Amino acid sequence: AQRVTQPEKLLSVFKGAPVELKCNYSYSGSPELFWYVQYSRQRLQLLLRHISRESIKGFTADLNKGETSFHLKKPFAQEEDSAMYYCALGTQGGSEKLVFGKGTKLTVNP
Amino acid sequence: DSGVTQTPKHLITATGQRVTLRCSPRSGDLSVYWYQQSLDQGLQFLIQYYNGEERAKGNILERFSAQQFPDLHSELNLSSLELGDSALYFCASSRTGDSGNTIYFGEGSWLTVV
Repeated sequence: AQRVTQPEKLLSVFKGAPVELKCNYSYSGSPELFWYVQYSRQRLQLLLRHISRESIKGFTADLNKGETSFHLKKPFAQEEDSAMYYCALGTQGGSEKLVFGKGTKLTVNP
Repeated sequence: DSGVTQTPKHLITATGQRVTLRCSPRSGDLSVYWYQQSLDQGLQFLIQYYNGEERAKGNILERFSAQQFPDLHSELNLSSLELGDSALYFCASSRTGDSGNTIYFGEGSWLTVV
C-alpha cells in the first residue's frame, strides 16, 4: 500500500532560520514525489516535484530512496512561507492519483 | 490561477439533502480527480476519471458518485448528506493521467452540512 508520512503537524521557526519539513513514503514501485503548498485553505499549489530537481521560492527537496524520504528544505525561512505543506506520492499503473500526507503547518515568526 | 474551475465556491445545506459539485478541468486535460479535505482526515482521494471513464477509486462513500461528461467537465454528487460530510472538496486535473503528469488543483468547494 502507498503511504506518506509527515511526522510534524506543526513546525514553527523564526524568520531567517533554516527549515526542514520531513516526508517519508512507503511504495513498492518507483515513486514520484511532490510537495504542494496551501495558503489559508486556498487551492493546493504545486511547489516542486522530484523529477524536475528544481528550486522554487528557495525550497529544494531531494529524493532519498534508501531512506524513502523526500524532505523539503529552505536555508532561510521567510514570513510569507507560512502555510500548510503537503507531501504527495504519485503512483504508477495507469493512474496519476496522488496520495497525500496529513500535512505540516509551517509558521515563520518575525 | 491553475485553470481548474469549481462551482459553487461555498454551499450550505441540511442533513439528508443532495448536492452536486461541478468542475471544469484545464484546457486539454483529460483526467479529473476529486479530493476531500476535512480537518480530521486530511486530504483524501475520492475518485479519478479519464476521458469519461472511471480510472481509479479511493475512499469514496457509496452515497457519493461522480461522472465525467463528453466535454470533460465533471460532477461530484453527494447524497443523504451527513454532518461529517462537511469539508472542502477539491477537483484537480492532469493531461493524461499517466505517471509523470502534474496534477493541478481548483480552488475547492466548501460544503457545510447543518
